[in-house]
Amino acid sequence: DAGVTQSPTHLIKTRGQQVTLRCSPKSGHDTVSWYQQALGQGPQFIFQYYEEEERQRGNFPDRFSGHQFPNYSSELNVNALLLGDSALYLCASSGGTSRNSFFGQGTRLTVV
Amino acid sequence: DQQVKQNSPSLSVQEGRISILNCDYTNSMFDYFLWYKKYPAEGPTFLISISSIKDKNEDGRFTVFLNKSAKHLSLHIVPSQPGDSAVYFCAASEAGNTPLVFGKGTRLSVIA
Repeated sequence: DAGVTQSPTHLIKTRGQQVTLRCSPKSGHDTVSWYQQALGQGPQFIFQYYEEEERQRGNFPDRFSGHQFPNYSSELNVNALLLGDSALYLCASSGGTSRNSFFGQGTRLTVV
Repeated sequence: DQQVKQNSPSLSVQEGRISILNCDYTNSMFDYFLWYKKYPAEGPTFLISISSIKDKNEDGRFTVFLNKSAKHLSLHIVPSQPGDSAVYFCAASEAGNTPLVFGKGTRLSVIA
């Protein structure tokens, strides 16, 4: 049973560019959440997708957007990248009656 | 305003002894609490969780204690092993599919 998978694992982008990160949830999970983890901090909630709609959103600008597909996989898009967007981006999935979330290995984004 | 606080950035414990990691929260609406372990360059791994209707939950070497009146929880690891060396995050959520709120983590070093 595959867990949560994310791609790519590492990415280097130039300031002002756009980036797309991808996530496949754990089998049987229908809810996907995205988090940003800066160095030395805990993960910060970006947004959550359920039934292909954004259900909740954290305190992140509109440059951060997402999508969920019918197979429950998800994308995170960031436009007009800033140096401060450099971080580890984590995808978590959950589903059913369980309140436990399971994380992927993350995508390390570096903006130069 | 940090709703979940892990006040000890680091902890060193000898192999075989007990490790106790602490977490405090301020939001009285939190009713579900989780602990994650994170190795460098990996995503957080779910360890154990507890609902606010309980005050203790055990899973093998890991036990989580919840003191609702003090808004405090702790993770006990007995016996500690060198492979337990990692950063441990405490997280909490409110009822419904609300996002996780994380502390900043505690780095545990288990010395052989």
